[in-house]
Amino acid sequence: QIQLVQSGAEVKKPGASVRVSCRVSGHIFTDLCMHWVRQAPGKGLEWMGGFDPEDGEMYFAQKFQGRVTMTEDTSTDTAFMELSTLKSDDTAVYYCAAVLRALPGGPIDYWGQGTLLAVSS
Amino acid sequence: QSALTQPASVSGSPGQTITIACSGTSSDVGAYNYVSWYQQRPGKPPKLMIYDVDKRPSGVSNRFSGSKSGNTASLTISGLQADDESNYYCSSYTRRSTWVFGGGTTLTVL
Repeated sequence: QIQLVQSGAEVKKPGASVRVSCRVSGHIFTDLCMHWVRQAPGKGLEWMGGFDPEDGEMYFAQKFQGRVTMTEDTSTDTAFMELSTLKSDDTAVYYCAAVLRALPGGPIDYWGQGTLLAVSS
Repeated sequence: QSALTQPASVSGSPGQTITIACSGTSSDVGAYNYVSWYQQRPGKPPKLMIYDVDKRPSGVSNRFSGSKSGNTASLTISGLQADDESNYYCSSYTRRSTWVFGGGTTLTVL
């Protein structure tokens, strides 16, 4: 059974950066396409970015371009998402998500448990 | 990239059939058959219910079905049950190789 286990809750000040980790087990990590999705309190899901198997590139939602970095450490089967220049409206639950299929368009088969980020001065 | 458009809420009585629409554009929903639907309960991660417009993952009830016409996708739940009460989100791949979610729909079972 595939499991995605994320790092714990974070509290950051505006302007700071945060790095969230997502450890994958139960499947060959390099066979997965990893994505990150966030959800502000009481709001809907928002795709931040992810790997497209069509061309092997990472793509990001326009609003996060230049502010988000998504990396992977294949030696520990861990994905990372770093978001910089934090603002109060970055307060949200951040989910890592895994796609099994090596085709574009997903779907997301597995989700992490979520990491709560609170941004406050 | 704007979010896909879903009704904020829908409701139905047990046993009834409801449909949730997901409206996009020719650059996302209308471009590919890569529309998915997720069910999310409060405090939990989403769960995949439908993928590739109308395919059901193993373990998902056949009361859930999906379809698409032009730039609008739909999720239909038949034989509504109390346990179906949840939030539902559509998602689509786009021509820019990005993904977009709908704003979400709260389903209430009366």
